[in-house]
Amino acid sequence: AQKITQTQPGMFVQEKEAVTLDCTYDTSDQSYGLFWYKQPSSGEMIFLIYQGSYDEQNATEGRYSLNFQKARKSANLVISASQLGDSAMYFCAMRARPTGSARQLTFGSGTQLTVLP
Amino acid sequence: EPEVTQTPSHQVTQMGQEVILRCVPISNHLYFYWYRQILGQKVEFLVSFYNNEISEKSEIFDDQFSVERPDGSNFTLKIRSTKLEDSAMYFCASGGTDYEQYFGPGTRLTVT
Repeated sequence: AQKITQTQPGMFVQEKEAVTLDCTYDTSDQSYGLFWYKQPSSGEMIFLIYQGSYDEQNATEGRYSLNFQKARKSANLVISASQLGDSAMYFCAMRARPTGSARQLTFGSGTQLTVLP
Repeated sequence: EPEVTQTPSHQVTQMGQEVILRCVPISNHLYFYWYRQILGQKVEFLVSFYNNEISEKSEIFDDQFSVERPDGSNFTLKIRSTKLEDSAMYFCASGGTDYEQYFGPGTRLTVT
């Protein structure tokens, strides 16, 4: 079974500064994937970034990067140059090893990020 | 940019009624999922679907729930006899590969 832990229920960051959202995970699988999603107040779930457990480099997508530390089982999301529009709930999720079939995502409880002007 | 769409955006139903939530996945995607999120809580997996059959289902996905892909474009979730505790946001997701999942905007189901 997989478990995702997000220990920061709420975070504040000043506009234009960087912020790190924590995520730790627990799994017995050797191969797995880690995801981050953004959920604004409007409710939709927006895919941000993906990291495979065997990817040698940390994933980056624009202002988003994933600080993947496999030995520590952590997959922290770093948002650089925060913008007011980044204010949202952020969910970390993981998927067990791919088998060619549709595998479920297990989500953490989320971190509410507020960007201050 | 292609996206997952869901209808209706909000559904209100009485306890015991059947509801069908509709999703149109991204064209050419092969992997399909339903999740739900009770207000203020984490997103929970319900069921996944690939190659015209269920791949995985959670404990929540009991006999009251069913999924169908009736044609090449739609993916539906049916709840036969709704309960108050079924009130939640229901998300459909699809992926072109088994390591991506793009979510739709959700259907807010309110059971009264």
